[in-house]
Amino acid sequence: EAGVTQFPSHSVIEKGQTVTLRCDPISGHDNLYWYRRVMGKEIKFLLHFVKESKQDESGMPNNRFLAERTGGTYSTLKVQPAELEDSGVYFCASSSGPRVYNEQFFGPGTRLTVL
Amino acid sequence: DAKTTQPTSMDCAEGRAANLPCNHSTISGNEYVYWYRQIHSQGPQYIIHGLKNNETNEMASLIITEDRKSSTLILPHATLRDTAVYYCIVRVALYGSSNTGKLIFGQGTTLQVKP
Repeated sequence: EAGVTQFPSHSVIEKGQTVTLRCDPISGHDNLYWYRRVMGKEIKFLLHFVKESKQDESGMPNNRFLAERTGGTYSTLKVQPAELEDSGVYFCASSSGPRVYNEQFFGPGTRLTVL
Repeated sequence: DAKTTQPTSMDCAEGRAANLPCNHSTISGNEYVYWYRQIHSQGPQYIIHGLKNNETNEMASLIITEDRKSSTLILPHATLRDTAVYYCIVRVALYGSSNTGKLIFGQGTTLQVKP
């Protein structure tokens, strides 16, 4: 069974440009989470989808970030325009449910570098 | 903010047991203790979780004190591949509008397994 995949693995862009990160969850997992770690900080929650619906967006830093999950399958996270402080590693995780016994499986992350 | 405190770093000799402590003195009755780890350049990986009883799986054992204010993750025979950052996370068990299953990471403990 394929795990959570993320694309690209690494992205280098200039300040002001747009970048779109993609996450493909494990097949059948309705719950999809985005997290990120910026330099020197802890891993922080960004948002949570249940199928195509945003269940919790409380961690989204500002309106330059837009997450979508059309059709309830893969998800994209767009940063527009990118700022220097957006540099970090963006992780996606999926689970079969939100409860404590539903393990979250993480992807390898996308390393975003904004110059 | 994370509800746990962990030592910043620990060393362990290869083949010996690694005991990683975690304090969660404000834990509530409906909160579980979760452990994840992050090996360099990979996404976080689930290890184990528990409520109040000790738990064991193929990766590790989790010992929770009777008052539930602290716990210890035990890797019985640490290998070089266990070198990673280990995160102790407190997570609410019930699903509701205030809980979407998101994980709140702290700084974690960097475990270095040495030959």
